Amino acid sequence: AQSVTQPDIHITVSEGASLELRCNYSYGATPYLFWYVQSPGQGLQLLLKYFSGDTLVQGIKGFEAEFKRSQSSFNLRKPSVHWSDAAEYFCAVGEYGNKLVFGAGTILRVKS
Amino acid sequence: EAGVAQSPRYKIIEKRQSVAFWCNPISGHATLYWYQQILGQGPKLLIQFQNNGVVDDSQLPKDRFSAERLKGVDSTLKIQPAKLEDSAVYLCASSPTGSIQYFGAGTRLSVL
Repeated sequence: AQSVTQPDIHITVSEGASLELRCNYSYGATPYLFWYVQSPGQGLQLLLKYFSGDTLVQGIKGFEAEFKRSQSSFNLRKPSVHWSDAAEYFCAVGEYGNKLVFGAGTILRVKS
Repeated sequence: EAGVAQSPRYKIIEKRQSVAFWCNPISGHATLYWYQQILGQGPKLLIQFQNNGVVDDSQLPKDRFSAERLKGVDSTLKIQPAKLEDSAVYLCASSPTGSIQYFGAGTRLSVL
């Protein structure tokens, strides 16, 4: 069965500092991988996705993620965090046309 | 283009009452999903429609939850009767091809 682990429930970073959110997945075949962001009271917004090809993918708002098959990981990174990045971030794994399985999320706090 | 529309945004009911949520997907999207997001957890798929047919409802508590998608467009999710543990955000998502899912803002349900 598919599963996603986000080891960090909360992360606090200073504005302007770099960010890395961890995601590990369990999936039998080549996965489709996603990162979504959720601001309070809002739905989920897609940041980026990996289907195949280049293992370093670029997303919106300056985010990127790297797919590492050997480590079953898909960590999200941003070189310089802005206060507006404070939100909850979800990693998800899925297969084409089917459901997504989400991690429990990581809450990002940005301190000025 | 317009996003996924959901209503109501908030609902408070007593246990054992009934409640219904409505979702209007992005125009032309054939696939529609309902997810349940309990506080502190990632979204969990309840049901997936392809046009007006059910693809996956394996995680839907069918003794109390029902969903329909008439004419392959709008969808309603109903809970009857509600339990305390049904308190959650109910997210609707739609997809044109099954690869990327676009989420609505959700309905926050509180069962007292």
